[in-house]
Amino acid sequence: DSGVTQTPKHLITATGQRVTLRCSPRSGDLSVYWYQQSLDQGLQFLIQYYNGEERAKGNILERFSAQQFPDLHSELNLSSLELGDSALYFCASSVGAGGATNEKLFFGSGTQLSVL
Amino acid sequence: EDQVTQSPEALRLQEGESSSLNCSYTVSGLRGLFWYRQDPGKGPEFLFTLYSAGEEKEKERLKATLTKKESFLHITAPKPEDSATYLCAVRSGSARQLTFGSGTQLTVLP
Repeated sequence: DSGVTQTPKHLITATGQRVTLRCSPRSGDLSVYWYQQSLDQGLQFLIQYYNGEERAKGNILERFSAQQFPDLHSELNLSSLELGDSALYFCASSVGAGGATNEKLFFGSGTQLSVL
Repeated sequence: EDQVTQSPEALRLQEGESSSLNCSYTVSGLRGLFWYRQDPGKGPEFLFTLYSAGEEKEKERLKATLTKKESFLHITAPKPEDSATYLCAVRSGSARQLTFGSGTQLTVLP
């Protein structure tokens, strides 16, 4: 158990809908990272938050947004969903801002999103 | 842009048959190379971090090595429980996130 909690584990929804994925980082970790994993693209970095502030942005669509709350949990909001958004969404956490060379990421078990 | 390429995509071994997985990378200033293991339906689990060419790390039947252009994950006398997808990732330059390869799916047959 990595200590990173993601809910829900599975989510089935329809095209055009909006969903929210939730992540609680490991105790003491200040950074949260969101990754998308699909069969054809592997693990793709979406966005990172550190202590409530956005720190890095990857290939995140404009239809997607995220935030990190004062209690450090994070939410990833996906809107106007398309079939191609179906994927595993992972949250990872780390203790610092990601600048340290040896900083490891600890991953949650993911949310499987199916858009029908 | 950082690029990480893993080969082979899939590997089937008999129990006890040693082999190696490859991770080649193109980055601007490598700050760390990471190996993760991912079981079906689970998140990646950290295995090793390597920082400089010539470095080696070991854990049970796994040994990771690093050169200036690639890393190898050597699996000695594997067991069925070693079956998983092995992911390689890099952190480079000023990047905070890890960039992952597509992984090698390892199956060890009893």
